[in-house]
Amino acid sequence: DGGITQSPKYLFRKEGQNVTLSCEQNLNHDAMYWYRQDPGQGLRLIYYSQIVNDFQKGDIAEGYSVSREKKESFPLTVTSAQKNPTAFYLCASSIAGYNEQFFGPGTRLTVL
Amino acid sequence: GQQLNQSPQSMFIQEGEDVSMNCTSSSIFNTWLWYKQDPGEGPVLLIALYKAGELTSNGRLTAQFGITRKDSFLNISASIPSDVGIYFCAGQLYSGGGADGLTFGKGTHLIIQP
Repeated sequence: DGGITQSPKYLFRKEGQNVTLSCEQNLNHDAMYWYRQDPGQGLRLIYYSQIVNDFQKGDIAEGYSVSREKKESFPLTVTSAQKNPTAFYLCASSIAGYNEQFFGPGTRLTVL
Repeated sequence: GQQLNQSPQSMFIQEGEDVSMNCTSSSIFNTWLWYKQDPGEGPVLLIALYKAGELTSNGRLTAQFGITRKDSFLNISASIPSDVGIYFCAGQLYSGGGADGLTFGKGTHLIIQP
């Protein structure tokens, strides 16, 4: 079955540690995105990539980093520089040039 | 970033009632999307709109792309218990470029009383 997978579903980390969230898709989509969702809020764009080896900052990129070495994978690293990292993180993908984005199941990160 | 004003913030309705929610912005959008999110899950795409004035249905759901390109609404007819969830509007700003990230509203929380 085609789709987007994110792992793990729940992640706990100590303050000051970097953590990497996984996102994989087998939809053959060129574009991939990372969003952050806080309680009662909409989704806010962190980073996006329209093609392998290229990515752009979104509205809230500070304290995050990404890589796009493969078409299928777009991992997000939450660094210790992110002041408030506890949130629900959502990965999405789309066909290049199309605005319909399809989302993974999300990873809930809790920093203790 | 740009903001979408989504209303109402929450709705408490009886099963079988019709539902209406909308999104507005001061900016022009070239795409409007409506998503539904269940607790702890990723949003699921319901309807995509690409042309000003476009009216599109998906079962009991109907959405319209406003003529001014600055608003959109979603209607749900004859609500059922599984309609419970958070509905988000999302838009792609008119920039002439490729598919960048979407701008999301803060969501409408739909609660259905049996």
